[in-house]
Formats: sequence, structure tokens, C-alpha cells
Amino acid sequence: QLQLQESGSRLVRPSQTLSLTCVVSGASISNGGYSWNWIRQPPGRGLEWIGYIYHSGNIYYSPSLKSRVAISVERSKNQFSLNLTSVTAADTAVYYCARGVTNPYNNNWYIDNWGQGTLVIVSS
Amino acid sequence: IVLTQSPGTLSLSPGERATLSCRASQSVSSRYLAWYQQQPGQAPRLLIFGASNRATGIPDRFSGSGSGTDFTLTINSLEPEDFAVYYCQQYGNSPVTFGQGTKLEIK
Repeated sequence: QLQLQESGSRLVRPSQTLSLTCVVSGASISNGGYSWNWIRQPPGRGLEWIGYIYHSGNIYYSPSLKSRVAISVERSKNQFSLNLTSVTAADTAVYYCARGVTNPYNNNWYIDNWGQGTLVIVSS
Repeated sequence: IVLTQSPGTLSLSPGERATLSCRASQSVSSRYLAWYQQQPGQAPRLLIFGASNRATGIPDRFSGSGSGTDFTLTINSLEPEDFAVYYCQQYGNSPVTFGQGTKLEIK
């Protein structure tokens, strides 16, 4: 059974870097057809896609966050990570890692498995 | 593509039928539309993909329909556990976008 588990800093100071890691069990992140996504949800609001790393290693970011986001993978540990720089209070959200069933022709996806999410608060 | 979900809140009783709408600002390619359910404090759960395909383990009281710009999620005979927030998402056009959600509450 596929499981995704987020870990990382829960409280981040403004202007600092938010760092999260997602450990995947029950499937290899190198399996074809899937992307490994980060999605966030500010308290009481909707879902916002941040970016993903494809099984091939290609990486795609949301245009609105592209200048501040980096996603990386550590295949030996079957995990992938998110760094978000220069954070502000607007970055306070529950951050989810998730597996996307990905169309290789348009690189778009829907999510079939989610992590439980981790609340990250940006505050001094 | 902007997805607009309606109504914002739907108040119904257990046993009733719920009809949730998701309207796209332009046609969604290949009916690439998904629906998710989110319970308070939990991650979303995939219900429907490809506009009308139920995900694994989803009861058949959930059904999706539609094409082009108009999509519908129907829940027949509401169970207590169905009261939640529902999101639509299109993945036919880049970038992928989500609707703002419909809250289904107990009347």
C-alpha cells in the first residue's frame, strides 16, 4: 500500500527557507507514469499546486511560485523534497506531498494518493 | 482555465441526492476532470477522474458526468460521511487548476 509522509520544519521565520521532505513507501518514485507533487492549502482555503518531479527527473513548477521553489529527489531513500525561499505569512499552509497520475503528452496530472499533510506556519 | 464551483454551500439531509457543479472558463480537453472529497483535518481523496471514472474503492452512489465546460458530481442517497468539501480539478490544459470548493453540509 502506497504511503507518503511529510516531515520538516513546522515554524519558519519570515524571509527564511521552508524545507520539507516526503518519504514514499509502498512504491518506487522511479516508477513510470507518475509525478511526485507538492500541493498546499492555506487555512480555510483551497488547493494550490506548487510543483512536481516526474519519474524521469524532469521538474515542473507553478508559474506563480517558480522563482522561489526548488524540488529535488533522493532516489536511494525513495524521497523527494521541497525548498521554498523568502517565505512570508502568505506561505502559511498545510503542505501535502502527493502522487500524480501523469499524462506524458501534456505533463498534467490528477492525484491518486496524498500524504496526511503538515502545517507550516510562517511567523517571527 | 478557471473552474467555478456551485453552489458554494449545499445544505441537504441524509438520504437526499446532491448535485454539485463545476464550470470551466474554457473547454476542458479530453474530459480531463477530477473530483476530490476533503473531510475536516484530512487530505483530499480522489473520487472521480476522467470526468466519470470512479477511483478505486469509491462507492457507486458517487457519479461524475459532463464534458466541455460543464461538469457535475452527483451523490445519490447521502450518507453521513459524505458531508465534506468537494473540489474539482482540470488536467486537460496547462496549468492544472482547482475549483474553489463546494461545502456539503447537513441540513
